[in-house]
Amino acid sequence: DTEVTQTPKHLVMGMTNKKSLKCEQHMGHRAMYWYKQKAKKPPELMFVYSYEKLSINESVPSRFSPECPNSSLLNLHLHALQPEDSALYLCASSQPLRLASTDTQYFGPGTRLTVL
Amino acid sequence: AQTVTQSQPEMSVQEAETVTLSCTYDTSESDYYLFWYKQPPSRQMILVIRQEAYKQQNATENRFSVNFQKAAKSFSLKISDSQLGDAAMYFCAYRWRYGNKLVFGAGTILRVKS
Repeated sequence: DTEVTQTPKHLVMGMTNKKSLKCEQHMGHRAMYWYKQKAKKPPELMFVYSYEKLSINESVPSRFSPECPNSSLLNLHLHALQPEDSALYLCASSQPLRLASTDTQYFGPGTRLTVL
Repeated sequence: AQTVTQSQPEMSVQEAETVTLSCTYDTSESDYYLFWYKQPPSRQMILVIRQEAYKQQNATENRFSVNFQKAAKSFSLKISDSQLGDAAMYFCAYRWRYGNKLVFGAGTILRVKS
């Protein structure tokens, strides 16, 4: 089973709202990722968690706050976003490097976020 | 820094025919992985094929195959017997064996004509 699920599928929020995106995987992967993708552009890495610890933060503004409560779940908390933050947010998971020589990232279907 | 270049913004192919998507990359590393991902209009990123740099044999997955030329740093994707469902944005991606970060190319939009 190579499924990564994301909720919600669509989210519309105002600039003063607080919302969260959720990602879940049951493949036993111990590395999880958040990407931001604008239309017709490649995904841009935001955060990487490895063994539930934040290992990469690609200089993402603090209005995005990731959280990894356990090895299967990854959240992205959103607060005071700007209209330019509207995008598709993709979650991915993989085995971390120490466990496997091949650690393909498997992606979820994404959450389409619109900030008004 | 590693870079991935996809020089074809758009390609078209007739149904049942063969098309090749180009990808070149730049790295000073010798041990890495290369990937092709497909993103249809539904926007889910789907792994198409993976190549390990230390394997000389080109990867194949059903109708999809790659031409991996390590010295030339080239990694093209061949789709045989194209189907309407192959229409999507295709991304070539690189990852250093000992790193977590995927480096994506700009993507190629593939249109399949019936």
